[in-house]
Amino acid sequence: NAGVTQTPKFQVLKTGQSMTLQCAQDMNHEYMSWYRQDPGMGLRLIHYSVGAGITDQGEVPNGYNVSRSTTEDFPLRLLSAAPSQTSVYFCASSRGFASGANVLTFGAGSRLTVL
Amino acid sequence: AQTVTQSQPEMSVQEAETVTLSCTYDTSESDYYLFWYKQPPSRQMILVIRQEAYKQQNATENRFSVNFQKAAKSFSLKISDSQLGDAAMYFCAKLSGTYKYIFGTGTRLKVLA
Repeated sequence: NAGVTQTPKFQVLKTGQSMTLQCAQDMNHEYMSWYRQDPGMGLRLIHYSVGAGITDQGEVPNGYNVSRSTTEDFPLRLLSAAPSQTSVYFCASSRGFASGANVLTFGAGSRLTVL
Repeated sequence: AQTVTQSQPEMSVQEAETVTLSCTYDTSESDYYLFWYKQPPSRQMILVIRQEAYKQQNATENRFSVNFQKAAKSFSLKISDSQLGDAAMYFCAKLSGTYKYIFGTGTRLKVLA
C-alpha cells in the first residue's frame, strides 16, 4: 500500500517554463487536494477535488491548473512558472468528509525552485 | 475568509515536561472538524489528533490531548511527558462544510534534553 505518491521530489525551473507535479493515491480516496507550504505561512490550499471530474479552487489558485480524470490521479500544472511559485508542494487525500473519513493522508512533498 | 491562528511561532519544552500549543479559529458554522498535524524534519505530515465540534468531550491520544473550547473558538494541544521525537512543526487545521481544509501557520516545537 503506497499511500500518496508525489513526483518529482525536487525540481528546478526557469521563469516561464511549464511543468506538472504528479500525485497518485491507491486508497480509493474521493477527496484529493494540493497545498503549498511557505515559511511563516503554513499550508495554503491551491485546488481540490471531491471526485473524478470535479475540481474547485482553494485559497491560492492563480497560476495553477488541475484535472481529475481518474479517482487515483490529481496532477498539478504550472502553466508559466514564476519565482513566486518557489515552494514546497504537498498533495493530500482523504476518503471523504464524515467523521473518521476526513483525515488527510499526505504525500512526501515536492520542492520546486523557480529561477 | 475563514482563518486558523497559531500565535506561537516557536516553543521549547524540557524532555519529560508538558507543553501546550495554542490554536484559535473563526467560523460561523456549528458543525466542523479540527485537527493537529505534525511535520517532523522528514517533512512527512502525519495526524496527531482530531476533534469533532459536536462532541463536548476533549479528544485524547496517548500523551496528546486537546482543550476544545467551542464558544471561545479555541483548540489547544497538550503534549505530556515530552520526548525528543516530538520535536517538529505542529499545524492546527479546520475542516468545514465547504470541503476546504484551512491550516494555521504552524508552531515549531523544540524538545530539550
